[in-house]
Amino acid sequence: GAVVSQHPSWVICKSGTSVKIECRSLDFQATTMFWYRQFPKQSLMLMATSNEGSKATYEQGVEKDKFLINHASLTLSTLTVTSAHPEDSSFYICSARDRVRGRNTEAFFGQGTRLTVV
Amino acid sequence: SQQGEEDPQALSIQEGENATMNCSYKTSINNLQWYRQNSGRGLVHLILIRSNEREKHSGRLRVTLDTSKKSSSLLITASRAADTASYFCATDAGAGKSTFGDGTTLTVKP
Repeated sequence: GAVVSQHPSWVICKSGTSVKIECRSLDFQATTMFWYRQFPKQSLMLMATSNEGSKATYEQGVEKDKFLINHASLTLSTLTVTSAHPEDSSFYICSARDRVRGRNTEAFFGQGTRLTVV
Repeated sequence: SQQGEEDPQALSIQEGENATMNCSYKTSINNLQWYRQNSGRGLVHLILIRSNEREKHSGRLRVTLDTSKKSSSLLITASRAADTASYFCATDAGAGKSTFGDGTTLTVKP
C-alpha cells in the first residue's frame, strides 16, 4: 500500500529555536498534502493544506508566519515551526492522497512527529 | 470546529465482547474513514466507506453509513485486549482533507 514517511518521529528543542518536519510520499505523487496537530487527549485539527508549487492554505487561527509550509515537489512537504515555544509542543501529523488514484480514495497518513519544546 | 462527534467518548468492555462506536457529521461527504490510534502513536487506517455505500466489512470490523442521518458506526466484534486504542472517524468532502471526530477511547479488559 501507499506509504507516507514523516521525519523525525520525535524531537525535543529549546524554546526560541526552529524545527523542520518532513512529510514524504514514498511511492506516489501528491499534489496536495495536509498538516494536522493533535494536543494530548484531543482529536486532530487541520492546520493547513500544502499545495505543490504554490502557497499553503492555512486554517483559521493558524499563524502562517509561525508554521511555515513548503511543498517543493510532488513527494515532499515540510512544516517548520519557527521560534518554538512550549505551547507548540504537540503531535504533528501529515497526510497525502495519491493524485493518480483520485478523489474518492483514502488519505495516507505519516506516522507523526512528537514535538516537545523545553 | 470539528465536524464530527463521536459517541461514546469512552468505552470499556471485556475481551470477547463487541464494541460499537458512533460518529455523526454535519455536511455532505464524499467518503468517511475510520482510524485507530494507539496512545502517542500515528494513525492506522481501518476502513473507508464511500457516500454511496451503506455497509462494509473488514475482518472483525463492520462499518455502516447512513447519509440521511449523517451518521456512521464502527462495530468491532469479538474484541481483544490489543484493540485497546482511540478510534476516530474522519470525513472527506472531496477536497482530500479530513475532518476528524472527537474520538472514542476503547479499553478492552483481558
